[in-house]
Amino acid sequence: IAGITQAPTSQILAAGRRMTLRCTQDMRHNAMYWYRQDLGLGLRLIHYSNTAGTTGKGEVPDGYSVSRANTDDFPLTLASAVPSQTSVYFCASSDSRTRSYNEQFFGPGTRLTVL
Amino acid sequence: GQNIDQPTEMTATEGAIVQINCTYQTSGFNGLFWYQQHAGEAPTFLSYNVLDGLEEKGRFSSFLSRSKGYSYLLLKELQMKDSASYLCAVIDSNYQLIWGAGTKLIIKP
Repeated sequence: IAGITQAPTSQILAAGRRMTLRCTQDMRHNAMYWYRQDLGLGLRLIHYSNTAGTTGKGEVPDGYSVSRANTDDFPLTLASAVPSQTSVYFCASSDSRTRSYNEQFFGPGTRLTVL
Repeated sequence: GQNIDQPTEMTATEGAIVQINCTYQTSGFNGLFWYQQHAGEAPTFLSYNVLDGLEEKGRFSSFLSRSKGYSYLLLKELQMKDSASYLCAVIDSNYQLIWGAGTKLIIKP
């Protein structure tokens, strides 16, 4: 089934630990995104990638890193987790090459709690 | 700064009509999206507007006025399954999506 998968579904993490959230899409979309969603704040862009091999910083990139080694995968790494990174993380993808508008498709999300 | 305003919460009755407003102030404009998000789930695409006017898609319609920096989502014949958050998002001059905080819509029988 085409779409975006994220892993893990949820995670409780001790502060200071390193964590990688995984995201894979099989739609061959060129662009991918990582958002965090906090109550009352809406979706905030952490990092994005317009094509494999390139990445860019979004609105709230501090404390996070990404890589885009191929089209399908876009992992998000927290090098040393802090409690303020407790959030729901969504990965999304879009195909800006063939569509007239940049509709984003979202994965199911990862609920992360940092204690 | 860039800003998108939506009401935090709205309540409506099953079978009725509800209009959810969105106003925006962004650096440039290249289109506006509405997404639906059920509790605990991912956002899903509802509509896209880039030109002024009304776009109708079944029970849902979306309106845009670029000169006023204003959009609304109109939901007709409300059903209980329409209880969700509705997110307004604008594409700015850098082709980045700027998201509103969302409007939680509660449908009562």
